[in-house]
Amino acid sequence: KAGVTQTPRYLIKTRGQQVTLSCSPISGHRSVSWYQQTPGQGLQFLFEYFSETQRNKGNFPGRFSGRQFSNSRSEMNVSTLELGDSALYLCASSFLGPGTTYEQYFGPGTRLTVT
Amino acid sequence: EDKVVQSPLSLVVHEGDTVTLNCSYEVTNFRSLLWYKQEKKAPTFLFMLTSSGIEKKSGRLSSILDKKELFSILNITATQTGDSAIYLCAPYSGAGSYQLTFGKGTKLSVIP
Repeated sequence: KAGVTQTPRYLIKTRGQQVTLSCSPISGHRSVSWYQQTPGQGLQFLFEYFSETQRNKGNFPGRFSGRQFSNSRSEMNVSTLELGDSALYLCASSFLGPGTTYEQYFGPGTRLTVT
Repeated sequence: EDKVVQSPLSLVVHEGDTVTLNCSYEVTNFRSLLWYKQEKKAPTFLFMLTSSGIEKKSGRLSSILDKKELFSILNITATQTGDSAIYLCAPYSGAGSYQLTFGKGTKLSVIP
C-alpha cells in the first residue's frame, strides 16, 4: 500500500499570503489529522477529519482551516500568513474501522517558510 | 487541558548503554498511549499500549504503561547509533473523535 503523501514538500511564502497544503491518506483510511511541528512547541494538533467532518480542532486561530473530500484526501489552508507560521506541517492517517489499532501513519510533511 | 510531559528532554549516551525514557500524561477520555520515533523526517510508529503492566517488546525496545500513575516508559537496551532520534509519546483520547496529544519528545543521541 502506498503511504501518506503530502504536497508540496517545501514552500516559501511571504507574510500576508495564504497557502493550501494537500494530504492523501493511505487507501482505506478515513481519518486524517494535521499537526504543526516547530522546534519550540513540538508537535501540536491542528484538526482531525473523518468522513468529511471535522471532529476535533486544536488551539489554533481561525486562520487555520481544513477540509476533507469524499475520497478522504484532505487540504489545510492558512490565510494571512505570519512569520510564526513557519513550521513543518504533518498529516497523518488512521484506519478507524473494525479491528483498528489506532495507529497514525505520518506523511513526510510540508516545510513552510514564511518570509 | 491535556498535558504530556516527557523526560529527559535530551540524552547523550554511548553505544551499548541502556536508556529509559519517561512519559507522564493527563488527558481526558484516555484510551491508549503511542510511542513514535522521529529521525529527520516523519514520526514512525513504535508501540501502542492500552493495558497497564503489560510490556510490549520489539527487538531491543520495550515499553510499559501504568494507567494508575499515568505514565509510560520506553527502554532501549544495547543502544546503537541508529537509535539516535527524537522519541515521542502520545496519549490517544477518543470520545467521538480521534486525537493524539504529543509530548515535546526526548532527543536521544548515541555516540560510538
